[in-house]
Amino acid sequence: DARVTQTPRHKVTEMGQEVTMRCQPILGHNTVFWYRQTMMQGLELLAYFRNRAPLDDSGMPKDRFSAEMPDATLATLKIQPSEPRDSAVYFCASGSPLGQGAGNSPLHFGNGTRLTVT
Amino acid sequence: EDQVTQSPEALRLQEGESSSLNCSYTVSGLRGLFWYRQDPGKGPEFLFTLYSAGEEKEKERLKATLTKKESFLHITAPKPEDSATYLCAVLPGISNFGNEKLTFGTGTRLTIIP
Repeated sequence: DARVTQTPRHKVTEMGQEVTMRCQPILGHNTVFWYRQTMMQGLELLAYFRNRAPLDDSGMPKDRFSAEMPDATLATLKIQPSEPRDSAVYFCASGSPLGQGAGNSPLHFGNGTRLTVT
Repeated sequence: EDQVTQSPEALRLQEGESSSLNCSYTVSGLRGLFWYRQDPGKGPEFLFTLYSAGEEKEKERLKATLTKKESFLHITAPKPEDSATYLCAVLPGISNFGNEKLTFGTGTRLTIIP
């Protein structure tokens, strides 16, 4: 089974440090999404890309977060500087474009990076 | 603004005790409603997509239905391995090119007691 791979699985860091999370989408998928999950807010969309181009990052705090796709096999989410309120699980998901006909590919999620900022 | 509300927040059932989970939504048009299952420490796993009112999908002990305002996930004779958090998400119909932003509910945490 093809999988979305995220690294690291866990990250503990101190406030003010830079954090980089990585994602390898499923080969052939041309959309990549970054979500953040907390108990209070559930899953929130931070940013997404199609064909490596950023389409929407309105859910992301722009002053400290950045998302990129250096190539089709790698997506990154960076936080600099990190703050305790950034503690959450960050998920990457990939898929083919949704809503474009029956049988379109649903989003496939990785197992997330659990970030703790102290 | 698109909204998805799931109820109940948590549900405990005895093994074999059937029940339903609810997903109510308000959205500008609906291109699709999605159900996912999430196990602790894992990412959401896709279950179903529903596109129009009246549609139903089944998979083992699960059946998803859709009306114009809500979706139900019916669980028949559940087993302990069905314990998980079930998430609902909607994809709005009114969109600019490339709008594929799913809005998720906060989920129902289902526990099946042996």
